Amino acid sequence: GAVVSQHPSRVICKSGTSVKIECRSLDFQATTMFWYRQFPKQSLMLMATSNEGSKATYEQGVEKDKFLINHASLTLSTLTVTSAHPEDSSFYICSAKQTNQPQHFGDGTRLSIL
Amino acid sequence: GQNIDQPTEMTATEGAIVQINCTYQTSGFNGLFWYQQHAGEAPTFLSYNVLDGLEEKGRFSSFLSRSKGYSYLLLKELQMKDSASYLCAVGLRTDSWGKLQFGAGTQVVVTP
Repeated sequence: GAVVSQHPSRVICKSGTSVKIECRSLDFQATTMFWYRQFPKQSLMLMATSNEGSKATYEQGVEKDKFLINHASLTLSTLTVTSAHPEDSSFYICSAKQTNQPQHFGDGTRLSIL
Repeated sequence: GQNIDQPTEMTATEGAIVQINCTYQTSGFNGLFWYQQHAGEAPTFLSYNVLDGLEEKGRFSSFLSRSKGYSYLLLKELQMKDSASYLCAVGLRTDSWGKLQFGAGTQVVVTP
């Protein structure tokens, strides 16, 4: 149980492109989903917390207009990196959880902006 | 604020035991989590401690002392596949949505 699917696993695109990443909880309804980014050999940095049907809560320093989060249902959250630039290249990971359960992570999306 | 410290890297031989320590200082506490992350992959959940004491799960055990702000993850009978980064994470009581604060991770290298 507790399977989280993240798609796509890898994206390579030109500067200025917008990229959408999907995060799905396959066998449970997620009360909350989280979005992280991770630079090489560094830890996970929380970007935002997402609850179904409400606006995401962004961490300090994360631009909400740059990283659009939509949480349309209890099993799906999307992160859109708008007008991506090379400095946005990173490993983006989502996680999902139920009440009183640990976070379970998707397989991550490696984003490379040329 | 939160401050989570764990060693950067540890090396051990196959079959041995390794203990990864984690100390934390937080304004709220709602459990201590350990995750394993292989290079280029997402973290996988290993263990969760909310009360003091030892939790054992096969070759992996995790210990917590809330009064000392201290936890460790014990890996026994090390296998080559255990080479990975191990992340200590603190659940924040101040946040009702289960937000976690992660340490920088400890890279464990298992040698033959």
